Amino acid sequence: EAQVTQNPRYLITVTGKKLTVTCSQNMNHEYMSWYRQDPGLGLRQIYYSMNVEVTDKGDVPEGYKVSRKEKRNFPLILESPSPNQTSLYFCASSTPGGYNSPLHFGNGTRLTVT
Amino acid sequence: AQSVTQPDIHITVSEGASLELRCNYSYGATPYLFWYVQSPGQGLQLLLKYFSGDTLVQGIKGFEAEFKRSQSSFNLRKPSVHWSDAAEYFCAVGLTQGGSEKLVFGKGTKLTVNP
Repeated sequence: EAQVTQNPRYLITVTGKKLTVTCSQNMNHEYMSWYRQDPGLGLRQIYYSMNVEVTDKGDVPEGYKVSRKEKRNFPLILESPSPNQTSLYFCASSTPGGYNSPLHFGNGTRLTVT
Repeated sequence: AQSVTQPDIHITVSEGASLELRCNYSYGATPYLFWYVQSPGQGLQLLLKYFSGDTLVQGIKGFEAEFKRSQSSFNLRKPSVHWSDAAEYFCAVGLTQGGSEKLVFGKGTKLTVNP
């Protein structure tokens, strides 16, 4: 089954404790992206990657890092989490090819930073 | 800057009633427009998309949307709502980001369906 898998689904952590949210897709997609979803703000893009070793900032990249060492994986790293990063995070992937290749979303990771 | 506005934060309808969710966009060129649905605890699922051509597009689950350039709108409709349609709905405009989609989302409309 084609899917985007995020882990963990839920995470509670404390300020300053480094964490990684993993994202893996089994569709051989080149393009991957991270979004955060906050009430009243919709989804905002954090980072995206066009292919292995090619990443770039989205609209709200501050406080986040990503890496793309393999095509299937696109982890989101919070080096020093803060309470304002409490949010619902979504990973998405697609093939390059413009808008005929819609984004496939994972089921989300709900992060709470205390 | 490109933006998407969903004027209604929350809408409540009765099961079997018709539904229209509003979406307005701001974009200089011909927009690529999308509607996504998010069920509780789930990721986003594409309902339908508009690229060009016929301004009335059909999607999954009985939804349709109409693109009106003069009104900068892309409203989502369904003739008869089912209880399973209760979810949050997001309109989005697509921008080119190296040949793939970057989506700018509206803030969402939460739909409640009364029995």
